[in-house]
Amino acid sequence: SQKIEQNSEALNIQEGKTATLTCNYTNYSPAYLQWYRQDPGRGPVFLLLIRENEKEKRKERLKVTFDTTLKQSLFHITASQPADSATYLCALEGIYNQGGKLIFGQGTELSVKP
Amino acid sequence: DTAVSQTPKYLVTQMGNDKSIKCEQNLGHDTMYWYKQDSKKFLKIMFSYNNKELIINETVPNRFSPKSPDKAHLNLHINSLELGDSAVYFCASSQDRTQETQYFGPGTRLLVL
Repeated sequence: SQKIEQNSEALNIQEGKTATLTCNYTNYSPAYLQWYRQDPGRGPVFLLLIRENEKEKRKERLKVTFDTTLKQSLFHITASQPADSATYLCALEGIYNQGGKLIFGQGTELSVKP
Repeated sequence: DTAVSQTPKYLVTQMGNDKSIKCEQNLGHDTMYWYKQDSKKFLKIMFSYNNKELIINETVPNRFSPKSPDKAHLNLHINSLELGDSAVYFCASSQDRTQETQYFGPGTRLLVL
C-alpha cells in the first residue's frame, strides 16, 4: 500500500536559516504532491502543489522539489522566521479512480528560534 | 466570511452516546470531505461527497454516518461513541472531485470519556 514518511523528528533551526523538510513515499507514483501548513488547534492550510512533470516550484520564500526517481519531495523555507514555526504536512494524490483523495504524511514540526 | 466552518469546536461526551458534527462551506465547492486526525497527528480521510453523492468511503465503522443535505453542507453522525473515537475531526472542501487543493475547517475536538 502507499506509504508516506516525513522527518519524524522535530526540526529546530535559527531564524534566517533555510529549513529543509523531507517527504518520502513508496509503492506509488503520484501525479502530484502537495504541502500544507498546520498550526496548533487549526486545520491544515494549502501551501504548494507540484506535479510529476515539474522538478521545482517556488512561492515567495518557499520552494518545493519533486524527484520521481528518488520518490522524494523536499520543502525549503528560506530566510526562516519564528512565524514559520508550525507543522508541515506532505500529501499525495491517492490511488482512487474517483479523484480528490489525499494521503497525508504524519507531518514535521518546525520550530524557528529568534 | 469563514470559508469552511464546523460546529461544535469542542465535544466532550460519554461512551455509548450519539453525537453529530456539522460542516458548512461558503466557497461554492462541489466536493466535501471528513478527515480524522489522531493523537499521532496522522490525518486520514473518512468520507467524501461530490454534489451530495458519496464518492469515497474508507474503512470506517458503520457507527459513522455522513449526510449531505446539500452541496454546501456535510454532517457527520456518530453512534455509540467509543474511547477510540477521540480525535480531531476535520471537514474540508475542494472545487470539485478533480481539483487537488483542499480547504480545511478549524476542526472539532472530540473527547469520549
